[in-house]
Amino acid sequence: SQQGEEDPQALSIQEGENATMNCSYKTSINNLQWYRQNSGRGLVHLILIRSNEREKHSGRLRVTLDTSKKSSSLLITASRAADTASYFCATDGSNDYKLSFGAGTTVTVRA
Amino acid sequence: DTGVSQDPRHKITKRGQNVTFRCDPISEHNRLYWYRQTLGQGPEFLTYFQNEAQLEKSRLLSDRFSAERPKGSFSTLEIQRTEQGDSAMYLCASSLGSIGGAGELFFGEGSRLTVL
Repeated sequence: SQQGEEDPQALSIQEGENATMNCSYKTSINNLQWYRQNSGRGLVHLILIRSNEREKHSGRLRVTLDTSKKSSSLLITASRAADTASYFCATDGSNDYKLSFGAGTTVTVRA
Repeated sequence: DTGVSQDPRHKITKRGQNVTFRCDPISEHNRLYWYRQTLGQGPEFLTYFQNEAQLEKSRLLSDRFSAERPKGSFSTLEIQRTEQGDSAMYLCASSLGSIGGAGELFFGEGSRLTVL
């Protein structure tokens, strides 16, 4: 079973616009991570946020975490065509050494 | 080091045949994971190894599935008596392992299985 659920399932934006996607999860977590997957390829790690952190930045990425609402958001600013991909959130619990993934958000950036 | 490699990238087989996938993790990584991904879904955890020890298996991993990691290096995932429902992308990932969590996973490009 999948721990997280991403929203929306799909997102289409113009190049240069911002893209925001959300992730909700069910049980308490140790860390939350976001991954990107280009069509037919493996997943690439983007960013990790710990349960005691509220916000984290990495380049054009901004991640927030609200453990009281069991939710996280990923913001991609100034999107580019190369950002077209599926984005997944993944969580692990304390002493849980596997990641549980959501179903993902598919982002299409139009030139 | 070129990252996690998986072989073969694509496999087409007939129902009832056995298939084996191989994963070579990043050399210094002690944890190795297998996930399965179907179209439009996120990866589903199958099993993971810490060095050569298989520490957890999902209930998705029926008795037709077996994974090994001899000597704590490469890993193989074998599916016996394949069924059409086994058609999926099989992803391998490795990590250095962090205390109290999974840490960052490094994924291979996957092995796509099609069962006819």
